[in-house]
Amino acid sequence: EVQLFESGGDLVQPGGSLRLSCAASGFTFSSFAMSWVRQAPGKGLEWVSTLSSRGTTYYADSVKGRFTISRDNSKNTLYLQMDSLRAEDTALYYCAKKGSTVTPGNYFDPWGPGTRVTVSS
Amino acid sequence: DIQMTQSPSSLSASVGDRVIITCRASQGITKYLAWYQQKPGKVPKLLIYGASTLQSGVPSRFSGSGSGTDFTLTISSLQPEDVATYYCQNYNSDPWRFGQGTKVEIK
Repeated sequence: EVQLFESGGDLVQPGGSLRLSCAASGFTFSSFAMSWVRQAPGKGLEWVSTLSSRGTTYYADSVKGRFTISRDNSKNTLYLQMDSLRAEDTALYYCAKKGSTVTPGNYFDPWGPGTRVTVSS
Repeated sequence: DIQMTQSPSSLSASVGDRVIITCRASQGITKYLAWYQQKPGKVPKLLIYGASTLQSGVPSRFSGSGSGTDFTLTISSLQPEDVATYYCQNYNSDPWRFGQGTKVEIK
Protein backbone atom coordinates (compact mmCIF):
# COMPACT_ATOMS: atom_id res chain seq x y z
CA GLU A 1 0.00 0.00 0.00
CA VAL A 2 1.32 3.42 -0.94
CA GLN A 3 1.76 5.65 2.07
CA LEU A 4 2.89 9.25 2.35
CA PHE A 5 3.44 11.09 5.60
CA GLU A 6 4.38 14.74 5.88
CA SER A 7 6.11 16.36 8.84
CA GLY A 8 7.86 19.59 9.74
CA GLY A 9 4.94 21.99 9.80
CA ASP A 10 5.06 24.64 12.51
CA LEU A 11 4.31 28.21 13.51
CA VAL A 12 6.99 30.51 12.09
CA GLN A 13 7.45 34.25 11.93
CA PRO A 14 7.30 36.15 8.64
CA GLY A 15 10.69 36.02 6.95
CA GLY A 16 11.52 32.75 8.65
CA SER A 17 12.34 29.32 7.24
CA LEU A 18 10.97 25.83 7.57
CA ARG A 19 11.75 22.45 6.00
CA LEU A 20 8.96 20.01 5.32
CA SER A 21 9.55 16.29 4.84
CA CYS A 22 7.43 13.60 3.23
CA ALA A 23 8.26 9.99 4.02
CA ALA A 24 7.11 7.56 1.34
CA SER A 25 6.60 3.81 1.35
CA GLY A 26 4.90 1.09 -0.65
CA PHE A 27 6.27 2.00 -4.09
CA THR A 28 9.54 2.56 -5.95
CA PHE A 29 10.05 6.14 -4.80
CA SER A 30 12.86 6.95 -7.22
CA SER A 31 10.67 6.14 -10.24
CA PHE A 32 7.97 8.72 -9.57
CA ALA A 33 7.70 12.47 -9.75
CA MET A 34 6.64 13.90 -6.41
CA SER A 35 4.83 17.13 -5.65
CA TRP A 36 3.74 19.54 -2.95
CA VAL A 37 0.23 20.99 -3.02
CA ARG A 38 -1.10 23.40 -0.43
CA GLN A 39 -4.47 24.53 0.83
CA ALA A 40 -4.89 27.77 2.74
CA PRO A 41 -7.57 27.75 5.45
CA GLY A 42 -11.01 27.62 3.84
CA LYS A 43 -9.55 27.88 0.34
CA GLY A 44 -8.94 25.65 -2.65
CA LEU A 45 -5.99 23.57 -3.76
CA GLU A 46 -2.82 25.24 -5.04
CA TRP A 47 -0.02 23.32 -6.72
CA VAL A 48 3.33 24.43 -5.23
CA SER A 49 6.18 22.38 -6.65
CA THR A 50 7.12 19.16 -8.44
CA LEU A 51 10.35 17.22 -8.66
CA SER A 52 10.55 14.72 -11.49
CA SER A 53 12.19 11.32 -11.20
CA ARG A 54 15.00 12.67 -13.35
CA GLY A 55 15.59 15.65 -11.05
CA THR A 56 13.82 18.43 -12.95
CA THR A 57 12.19 20.97 -10.64
CA TYR A 58 9.05 23.02 -11.19
CA TYR A 59 7.63 25.80 -9.04
CA ALA A 60 4.52 27.92 -8.89
CA ASP A 61 5.26 31.60 -9.48
CA SER A 62 4.08 32.37 -5.94
CA VAL A 63 6.98 30.41 -4.40
CA LYS A 64 9.68 30.61 -7.06
CA GLY A 65 12.97 31.80 -5.60
CA ARG A 66 11.82 31.16 -2.02
CA PHE A 67 11.05 27.42 -1.92
CA THR A 68 13.33 24.54 -2.92
CA ILE A 69 12.13 21.01 -3.55
CA SER A 70 14.50 18.08 -3.21
CA ARG A 71 14.48 14.37 -2.59
CA ASP A 72 16.65 11.67 -1.06
CA ASN A 73 15.90 8.45 -2.91
CA SER A 74 18.00 6.44 -0.45
CA LYS A 75 15.63 7.54 2.32
CA ASN A 76 12.44 7.56 0.23
CA THR A 77 11.87 11.12 1.38
CA LEU A 78 10.77 14.32 -0.34
CA TYR A 79 11.59 17.74 1.08
CA LEU A 80 10.42 21.31 0.72
CA GLN A 81 12.75 24.00 2.00
CA MET A 82 10.69 27.13 2.58
CA ASP A 83 12.54 30.43 3.02
CA SER A 84 11.40 34.05 3.30
CA LEU A 85 8.01 32.85 4.47
CA ARG A 86 5.02 35.16 4.19
CA ALA A 87 1.62 35.21 5.83
CA GLU A 88 0.09 34.05 2.55
CA ASP A 89 2.13 30.82 2.78
CA THR A 90 -0.04 29.75 5.71
CA ALA A 91 -1.65 26.49 4.62
CA LEU A 92 -1.91 22.75 4.96
CA TYR A 93 0.87 21.32 2.82
CA TYR A 94 0.23 17.99 1.11
CA CYS A 95 2.78 15.69 -0.43
CA ALA A 96 1.48 13.80 -3.46
CA LYS A 97 2.80 11.12 -5.77
CA LYS A 98 2.46 11.24 -9.54
CA GLY A 99 -0.41 8.96 -10.48
CA SER A 100 1.44 6.77 -12.93
CA THR A 101 4.83 6.26 -14.51
CA VAL A 102 3.08 5.03 -17.67
CA THR A 103 0.35 7.63 -18.16
CA PRO A 104 1.85 10.96 -19.24
CA GLY A 105 1.16 14.12 -17.33
CA ASN A 106 1.27 15.08 -13.68
CA TYR A 107 -1.85 14.13 -11.75
CA PHE A 108 -1.68 13.31 -8.07
CA ASP A 109 -2.43 10.01 -6.41
CA PRO A 110 -2.35 9.45 -3.53
CA TRP A 111 -1.94 12.38 -1.15
CA GLY A 112 -0.51 12.41 2.35
CA PRO A 113 -2.52 13.68 5.33
CA GLY A 114 -0.72 17.04 5.23
CA THR A 115 1.34 19.15 7.62
CA ARG A 116 0.24 22.58 8.76
CA VAL A 117 2.36 25.69 8.28
CA THR A 118 1.37 28.91 9.98
CA VAL A 119 3.27 32.11 9.25
CA SER A 120 2.47 34.75 11.84
CA SER A 121 4.16 37.09 14.25
CA ASP B 1 -0.41 29.78 -18.24
CA ILE B 2 -3.61 27.78 -18.51
CA GLN B 3 -6.44 28.86 -16.21
CA MET B 4 -9.08 26.39 -15.01
CA THR B 5 -12.62 27.63 -14.31
CA GLN B 6 -15.26 25.47 -12.65
CA SER B 7 -18.98 26.05 -12.46
CA PRO B 8 -21.00 26.26 -10.42
CA SER B 9 -19.00 27.18 -7.33
CA SER B 10 -21.58 25.39 -5.21
CA LEU B 11 -24.76 23.42 -5.65
CA SER B 12 -27.43 21.79 -3.56
CA ALA B 13 -29.24 18.72 -4.86
CA SER B 14 -31.45 15.94 -3.56
CA VAL B 15 -30.40 12.36 -3.00
CA GLY B 16 -30.79 10.52 -6.29
CA ASP B 17 -30.41 13.61 -8.44
CA ARG B 18 -28.07 13.80 -11.40
CA VAL B 19 -25.34 16.34 -10.72
CA ILE B 20 -23.14 17.91 -13.38
CA ILE B 21 -20.05 20.02 -12.71
CA THR B 22 -18.23 21.74 -15.53
CA CYS B 23 -14.59 22.71 -15.91
CA ARG B 24 -13.23 24.94 -18.64
CA ALA B 25 -9.56 25.35 -19.56
CA SER B 26 -8.35 28.65 -21.02
CA GLN B 27 -6.42 26.70 -23.67
CA GLY B 28 -6.79 23.22 -25.08
CA ILE B 29 -5.41 20.47 -22.89
CA THR B 30 -6.58 17.49 -24.96
CA LYS B 31 -7.63 14.96 -22.27
CA TYR B 32 -5.11 15.86 -19.55
CA LEU B 33 -7.80 16.58 -17.01
CA ALA B 34 -8.21 15.04 -13.57
CA TRP B 35 -11.02 15.31 -11.03
CA TYR B 36 -10.56 15.11 -7.27
CA GLN B 37 -13.01 14.77 -4.41
CA GLN B 38 -12.30 16.33 -1.03
CA LYS B 39 -14.74 15.46 1.71
CA PRO B 40 -14.97 17.86 4.67
CA GLY B 41 -11.82 17.66 6.78
CA LYS B 42 -10.33 14.95 4.57
CA VAL B 43 -7.50 14.53 2.08
CA PRO B 44 -8.20 15.04 -1.62
CA LYS B 45 -8.81 11.82 -3.51
CA LEU B 46 -8.34 11.18 -7.23
CA LEU B 47 -11.61 10.27 -8.93
CA ILE B 48 -10.90 10.52 -12.65
CA TYR B 49 -7.89 11.06 -14.91
CA GLY B 50 -7.56 11.30 -18.64
CA ALA B 51 -10.85 13.24 -18.52
CA SER B 52 -12.90 10.03 -18.38
CA THR B 53 -10.92 7.16 -16.81
CA LEU B 54 -12.31 6.19 -13.43
CA GLN B 55 -9.67 5.59 -10.77
CA SER B 56 -9.81 2.10 -9.26
CA GLY B 57 -12.35 1.82 -6.48
CA VAL B 58 -14.38 4.88 -7.45
CA PRO B 59 -18.13 4.18 -7.67
CA SER B 60 -19.52 3.90 -11.18
CA ARG B 61 -22.04 6.68 -10.55
CA PHE B 62 -19.13 9.05 -11.17
CA SER B 63 -18.19 9.74 -14.78
CA GLY B 64 -16.16 12.29 -16.69
CA SER B 65 -16.23 13.53 -20.24
CA GLY B 66 -14.80 16.17 -22.51
CA SER B 67 -11.63 17.09 -24.31
CA GLY B 68 -9.87 20.22 -25.42
CA THR B 69 -11.23 23.01 -23.24
CA ASP B 70 -14.57 21.79 -21.90
CA PHE B 71 -15.04 19.00 -19.40
CA THR B 72 -17.77 17.65 -17.14
CA LEU B 73 -17.96 15.53 -14.02
CA THR B 74 -21.29 13.78 -13.62
CA ILE B 75 -22.69 12.06 -10.55
CA SER B 76 -25.55 9.99 -11.94
CA SER B 77 -27.38 9.53 -8.64
CA LEU B 78 -26.22 11.73 -5.79
CA GLN B 79 -25.61 9.91 -2.49
CA PRO B 80 -25.16 11.39 0.99
CA GLU B 81 -21.52 10.29 1.01
CA ASP B 82 -20.85 12.41 -2.09
CA VAL B 83 -21.04 15.62 -0.05
CA ALA B 84 -17.65 17.15 -0.84
CA THR B 85 -15.80 19.77 -2.80
CA TYR B 86 -14.76 18.67 -6.27
CA TYR B 87 -11.72 20.06 -8.09
CA CYS B 88 -10.59 19.71 -11.67
CA GLN B 89 -6.89 19.88 -12.53
CA ASN B 90 -4.99 20.45 -15.73
CA TYR B 91 -2.11 18.03 -15.79
CA ASN B 92 -1.01 18.72 -19.32
CA SER B 93 1.73 21.19 -18.51
CA ASP B 94 3.37 23.22 -15.78
CA PRO B 95 1.87 25.00 -13.86
CA TRP B 96 -0.49 22.16 -12.95
CA ARG B 97 -3.41 24.31 -11.85
CA PHE B 98 -6.63 23.36 -10.14
CA GLY B 99 -10.05 24.83 -10.65
CA GLN B 100 -11.46 26.82 -7.74
CA GLY B 101 -13.67 23.95 -6.60
CA THR B 102 -17.36 23.08 -6.59
CA LYS B 103 -19.01 22.41 -3.25
CA VAL B 104 -21.76 19.80 -3.43
CA GLU B 105 -24.37 19.63 -0.69
CA ILE B 106 -27.54 17.66 -0.08
CA LYS B 107 -30.82 19.58 -0.24
